Amino acid sequence: DADVTQTPRNRITKTGKRIMLECSQTKGHDRMYWYRQDPGLGLRLIYYSFDVKDINKGEISDGYSVSRQAQAKFSLSLESAIPNQTALYFCATRTGLGDNEQFFGPGTRLTVL
Amino acid sequence: AQSVSQHNHHVILSEAASLELGCNYSYGGTVNLFWYVQYPGQHLQLLLKYFSGDPLVKGIKGFEAEFIKSKFSFNLRKPSVQWSDTAEYFCAVNARGNNRLAFGKGNQVVVIP
Repeated sequence: DADVTQTPRNRITKTGKRIMLECSQTKGHDRMYWYRQDPGLGLRLIYYSFDVKDINKGEISDGYSVSRQAQAKFSLSLESAIPNQTALYFCATRTGLGDNEQFFGPGTRLTVL
Repeated sequence: AQSVSQHNHHVILSEAASLELGCNYSYGGTVNLFWYVQYPGQHLQLLLKYFSGDPLVKGIKGFEAEFIKSKFSFNLRKPSVQWSDTAEYFCAVNARGNNRLAFGKGNQVVVIP
């Protein structure tokens, strides 16, 4: 079984709809991250969390919110989706120790029409 | 703030050719350095990383990278590529004490059989 899972894997929605992307991990890591990937732009950090009570904005948090429901779960919400939020979204985890290697989920491809 | 530059976003080469992808970062302190690979339709996987010690790092699938501190570089190399190396490659940098990874924009590598 994969250590980091994301649901859904693909989603098509309309402008103005509320969308939630879910991430779960079995690695026992404290730290979780949400990125979006756009062609030619690499990965950009949206939000990250060090534990259930800790939420931090990344580079591009506008239009997004997150919830860390448990150590193993970190959800990303788009309150009112817009077309320029069409992207590939990745969740990642890491321990609080060591060299900051991050482990990535399989990604969610979101299309906003 | 950390930033990462990767040049030559699109690289096309034939099997058995040598590959070198450049990565430069802007941060004056101690860093951890990573190369991730994303095969078509898949999530990011770690190729190799530098934390400390020998600046020449060997990773999976015959890849290696050399950390040159004076040049703020961490270039990725493979002496002889295969068709299966077709993928996107991302350099990432973490400044020690900072919990975030900064990613470059990626290199799309296509290996022609």
